[in-house]
Amino acid sequence: NAGVTQTPKFRVLKTGQSMTLLCAQDMNHEYMYWYRQDPGMGLRLIHYSVGEGTTAKGEVPDGYNVSRLKKQNFLLGLESAAPSQTSVYFCASSRAGGSYEQYFGPGTRLTVT
Amino acid sequence: TQLLEQSPQFLSIQEGENLTVYCNSSSVFSSLQWYRQEPGEGPVLLVTVVTGGEVKKLKRLTFQFGDARKDSSLHITAAQPGDTGLYLCAGEAQYGKLTFGQGTILTVHP
Repeated sequence: NAGVTQTPKFRVLKTGQSMTLLCAQDMNHEYMYWYRQDPGMGLRLIHYSVGEGTTAKGEVPDGYNVSRLKKQNFLLGLESAAPSQTSVYFCASSRAGGSYEQYFGPGTRLTVT
Repeated sequence: TQLLEQSPQFLSIQEGENLTVYCNSSSVFSSLQWYRQEPGEGPVLLVTVVTGGEVKKLKRLTFQFGDARKDSSLHITAAQPGDTGLYLCAGEAQYGKLTFGQGTILTVHP
């Protein structure tokens, strides 16, 4: 039981390049989330999904796109990376209902030069 | 936009001391969660409080949810170096969307 996994762990991009971050969970959770974490700002929600085939915007969605084609996977895409997107990205999942307690992946450290 | 103000932002103490971290908001939350994060890892859930006035204890950690469900506190008794880490509070208001505080970086010196 791996929980939530993220690939890659580290990535360096040049401005304007694109990439996709992959999140996978094996807990059969309905809800999945993408956050970014910057110093002194806690975690900010980028996009989230309440089920396969559905996505919604979070607090800071600009410059990112997501897809949830399978229940266990949630992809985060950057179409044209900018230095402001340098951050640590975390994926999380939760059951639907209750207190929506979230289980986090280990994170991806992205640097855009 | 709901905000959670967490304080203090940094806390550096000696082993054996007590400490309290505060999480305050003007918004009401359905539940409030506390997470602990170590360097290079994702946050890990410590506890969830749901009812106004609720107090939960986890060994030397005591969590309290305010009566109005707008604020919470984390108290650690006799801190140990193993308690070192980033502590995050997060309020859940709507269908799993969490609002996180800025975090408190705790360092406990031996």
